[in-house]
Amino acid sequence: DQQVKQNSPSLSVQEGRISILNCDYTNSMFDYFLWYKKYPAEGPTFLISISSIKDKNEDGRFTVFLNKSAKHLSLHIVPSQPGDSAVYFCAALADRGSTLGRLYFGRGTQLTVWP
Amino acid sequence: NAGVTQTPKFQVLKTGQSMTLQCAQDMNHNSMYWYRQDPGMGLRLIYYSASEGTTDKGEVPNGYNVSRLNKREFSLRLESAAPSQTSVYFCASTRSPLNTEAFFGQGTRLTVV
Repeated sequence: DQQVKQNSPSLSVQEGRISILNCDYTNSMFDYFLWYKKYPAEGPTFLISISSIKDKNEDGRFTVFLNKSAKHLSLHIVPSQPGDSAVYFCAALADRGSTLGRLYFGRGTQLTVWP
Repeated sequence: NAGVTQTPKFQVLKTGQSMTLQCAQDMNHNSMYWYRQDPGMGLRLIYYSASEGTTDKGEVPNGYNVSRLNKREFSLRLESAAPSQTSVYFCASTRSPLNTEAFFGQGTRLTVV
């Protein structure tokens, strides 16, 4: 049973516009949420994270929003650039309990930014 | 900066053969992880080591064993490879179990025929 879900396998956006990637989770024990970016033939790289006590975190063109009541988070990329084309993974972890430190990943969303 | 280094990058095995995937990190991280990535499945945790001397099962540990050889190295062993273990394997490390930023290796693409 997937605890982190990314229901859109792909997203296509024109350069300069906003990309919005969505993620839902089921485990209310998660304390941190993260986004990773992955290019072909490379390992994932950390992009941005947010603590469960916050509802927004911003880093340059990337902003993550967290809605705890809806168990939903989203990643906004503004403006989108062709170099942003990659697979984006949503992940979550708990900082207590038997699953301490374990990252749970969604299945990923392939973002394509076209000129 | 090497970061996390995995060897080999590619491997083809016959069903029933054994092999060990090697992983080493040079960032003095305490925690290390092995994931597998299958098409449409995202990354699934196989085993992890929160600190030197400890290992724990993840979501999909069956058919695998691990060894945390020292603080730098964390190996993954397939004792008797099966076609279902065809996947891309990623090793990762974090400064501590609670550190949110994981650093990943480039992956090992394994095919079991």
